[in-house]
Amino acid sequence: AQSVTQLDSHVSVSEGTPVLLRCNYSSSYSPSLFWYVQHPNKGLQLLLKYTSAATLVKGINGFEAEFKKSETSFHLTKPSAHMSDAAEYFCVVRLDSNYQLIWGAGTKLIIKP
Amino acid sequence: DAGVTQSPTHLIKTRGQQVTLRCSPKSGHDTVSWYQQALGQGPQFIFQYYEEEERQRGNFPDRFSGHQFPNYSSELNVNALLLGDSALYLCASSLRLSSYEQYFGPGTRLTVT
Repeated sequence: AQSVTQLDSHVSVSEGTPVLLRCNYSSSYSPSLFWYVQHPNKGLQLLLKYTSAATLVKGINGFEAEFKKSETSFHLTKPSAHMSDAAEYFCVVRLDSNYQLIWGAGTKLIIKP
Repeated sequence: DAGVTQSPTHLIKTRGQQVTLRCSPKSGHDTVSWYQQALGQGPQFIFQYYEEEERQRGNFPDRFSGHQFPNYSSELNVNALLLGDSALYLCASSLRLSSYEQYFGPGTRLTVT
């Protein structure tokens, strides 16, 4: 069965420092993977997606993620955090059999001034 | 271009009551998915509608039912409400079942007392 695990429930970084949000997946197939962001009182927004093309995926707002099959990981990074990045981030795997999305539990990103 | 809209924004119901939540998809989209997001958790897939039929269903009881109208808008109905049904209910739309990108509405916050 396909699943996704976000390794940290909370991550706290100072403004201007790098961000790393960790995600591991399990999948029988070559997975489709996504990162979504959820700001308070706003809808979920797609940050980036991996669909078996380039393993380094660039998304919006300076975020990127690298698909590493050998490590079954899809970690999200950003070189320099901004206060506006404070939000909940979800790693998601898509079931290719029926296109359902399986969501991680989320990582809350806290930005310290 | 309006994105995904949901109504109402907030709702308070009593155990045993029934509730109907509504969703209008992004213009041009024909597929609607519903998710339940409990506090502190990632969204859980409820079901998906395409061409006015339920195409996929997650692990939710029959108390959860839905409908899609010819204009692609959708309703989620929950009967015999339980305290555990308190959650944020998210609607997402996409173009076709197989689309990689889902666009989310802001959600309806349901509180069951």
